Amino acid sequence: ETGVTQTPRHLVMGMTNKKSLKCEQHLGHNAMYWYKQSAKKPLELMFVYNFKEQTENNSVPSRFSPECPNSSHLFLHLHTLQPEDSALYLCASTLIVGGGSNEQFFGPGTRLTVL
Amino acid sequence: GENVEQHPSTLSVQEGDSAVIKCTYSDSASNYFPWYKQELGKRPQLIIDIRSNVGEKKDQRIAVTLNKTAKHFSLHITETQPEDSAVYFCAARGRSNDYKLSFGAGTTVTVRA
Repeated sequence: ETGVTQTPRHLVMGMTNKKSLKCEQHLGHNAMYWYKQSAKKPLELMFVYNFKEQTENNSVPSRFSPECPNSSHLFLHLHTLQPEDSALYLCASTLIVGGGSNEQFFGPGTRLTVL
Repeated sequence: GENVEQHPSTLSVQEGDSAVIKCTYSDSASNYFPWYKQELGKRPQLIIDIRSNVGEKKDQRIAVTLNKTAKHFSLHITETQPEDSAVYFCAARGRSNDYKLSFGAGTTVTVRA
């Protein structure tokens, strides 16, 4: 285990449902990320939180709503999703140190299927 | 922003042969280039990285080379083994964004026994 956990691991939801994805890191990191991984495409950065402050929102539709209550927890709230939102959602964390490698540690992901 | 392109998208090699994956990047200020390996059904994990002040780095059977002038970097796997079968992602970090990585689309490597 890398110290980054995600729940649930699998989620099937209808387009009218509301659900939340949870990520937790036990590594003492100060930045957390949400990525979307679709087949044959690069990892798409969705949101970045640096010291609990959102610093990046890559034109993600408002049906995805992130929340970072503290530096160890990150949520992704989902509502009225579309079938094309089906993908693997990966959480990652890193320790931002100026000039350092800032290796990102990934969670196992949540496999989301939208019906 | 940074744009990373990765080739090939799939690569099949005979066990024992070498595998090479190439990536190009667009931002000349990028200074950190990690490679991640993602086995089927598992999370991406860092396998090797290189910083812009180094031209080559090696760790046992894997090595990475960086050509800053041409803005490309490559992953080399020698003496491939079945457990090397996975998807490999390259990434680049721009100097002005110490916490963001731009990823390539991935290369699916299959090692034939």
